[in-house]
Amino acid sequence: DAGVTQSPTHLIKTRGQQVTLRCSPKSGHDTVSWYQQALGQGPQFIFQYYEEEERQRGNFPDRFSGHQFPNYSSELNVNALLLGDSALYLCASSLDSGETQYFGPGTRLLVL
Amino acid sequence: SQQGEEDPQALSIQEGENATMNCSYKTSINNLQWYRQNSGRGLVHLILIRSNEREKHSGRLRVTLDTSKKSSSLLITASRAADTASYFCATRSTDSWGKLQFGAGTQVVVTP
Repeated sequence: DAGVTQSPTHLIKTRGQQVTLRCSPKSGHDTVSWYQQALGQGPQFIFQYYEEEERQRGNFPDRFSGHQFPNYSSELNVNALLLGDSALYLCASSLDSGETQYFGPGTRLLVL
Repeated sequence: SQQGEEDPQALSIQEGENATMNCSYKTSINNLQWYRQNSGRGLVHLILIRSNEREKHSGRLRVTLDTSKKSSSLLITASRAADTASYFCATRSTDSWGKLQFGAGTQVVVTP
C-alpha cells in the first residue's frame, strides 16, 4: 500500500515564475491538506481540499491556489514566486472523518 | 503564526537515556498529535491524544496532556541513535475542522 507521494522532490525557480506541485494521497483517503515549512520552522497550513473543493484556508495570499481531482490527487500552484516562497512543501492526506494526517516526503522549492 | 511552543528547542542525550519535550498551545483543542521529522523530510505520525485523555502510551512513547494548562509532554524512554530527529506537536482546534497547527519543534540528538 503506497503512502502519500509527492512530485517533484526538488525544484528550482526564479522570482516571478509559476510552479505546480503534485500530491497523490494514501490509498482510501479523500482529503488532502498542503503545508509550507520554512527552514527551522514548523509546517504552516496552506489549505485543505475535500470533494474537489477548498474547504479551509490558512493565512496565505491568493498567489497560492490548488485543485483536487476526482481521484483525490491534488495540485498546489504558486504564481509570481517570491524569494520567501523557498520552503519544503508538504502534502498530507486523511479520511474526512479521520483525525490523523499522513504526510508525504515533501517538495523542496528554491526560488532564486 | 505558530500555535504552540516546544521546549526545549534542542536536546542532546546519550543512548539509553530518556528524552522529554514539552509543548504549549493557545486555543481549545479536539486533539494534540506528535510528529517526527528526519532531516527535513516528511513528517511521521507518532501518537494522538484527545482532549478528554490525560495520558497515552505507544511503545517507548508516553504522552501527557493537561488542557487546564494548555500543555503536553512527550517522553521517549531508552532512546536510540535512530530517535535523532525533530519532534513537533500539532493541535487540532475545536473551531477548525481540518487544520493542524504546529509548533517550531524540538531537535533531538541521540549519541551512541
